[in-house]
Amino acid sequence: DQQVKQNSPSLSVQEGRISILNCDYTNSMFDYFLWYKKYPAEGPTFLISISSIKDKNEDGRFTVFLNKSAKHLSLHIVPSQPGDSAVYFCAAKLGGGSNYKLTFGKGTLLTVNP
Amino acid sequence: EADIYQTPRYLVIGTGKKITLECSQTMGHDKMYWYQQDPGMELHLIHYSYGVNSTEKGDLSSESTVSRIRTEHFPLTLESARPSHTSQYLCASSELGGTDEAFFGQGTRLTVV
Repeated sequence: DQQVKQNSPSLSVQEGRISILNCDYTNSMFDYFLWYKKYPAEGPTFLISISSIKDKNEDGRFTVFLNKSAKHLSLHIVPSQPGDSAVYFCAAKLGGGSNYKLTFGKGTLLTVNP
Repeated sequence: EADIYQTPRYLVIGTGKKITLECSQTMGHDKMYWYQQDPGMELHLIHYSYGVNSTEKGDLSSESTVSRIRTEHFPLTLESARPSHTSQYLCASSELGGTDEAFFGQGTRLTVV
């Protein structure tokens, strides 16, 4: 049973436009959410996160929005750049303190066209 | 920049061979993890460790084993590789009870023929 779902396997946008990547989750006990970016043949790198007590977190061109009632979060990238082309993984944390584990979605391949 | 390293990056090996995938980190992190990922699929946690002499099974059953004799080192071993073990293996580490950010190595792409 997949607890973190990224229903769009791929997304293509034009350079300079907004990219919106979506993520849905089923477990209401998740208390922290993270986005990771992964280039081919490399490991994921942390991008941005949000606590369940917030509904928005912004870092430069990246903003994550959380809608707890809908169990939905989204990552906005604006303006999109060709270097943003990568696979983006949504991850959710369950548990507190030292016992947490991250549950990942399947990822969305973002392609930003020049 | 994350200081976590995995070797080898790529490995092609015959069925029945014993292999060890190496993972080392220089950040002094107590928690370390092994994830397995197939193309287009999510990362599945197969092993994790809270610190020296601690090893736990993850969410996905795996025939591999791990050890944690030193804080910085978390190797993964397959006693007898099979084609079903073909996958990408990602090692990660994080602070114990600290931020929730996990730092990943570059991964090992394993192919068993």
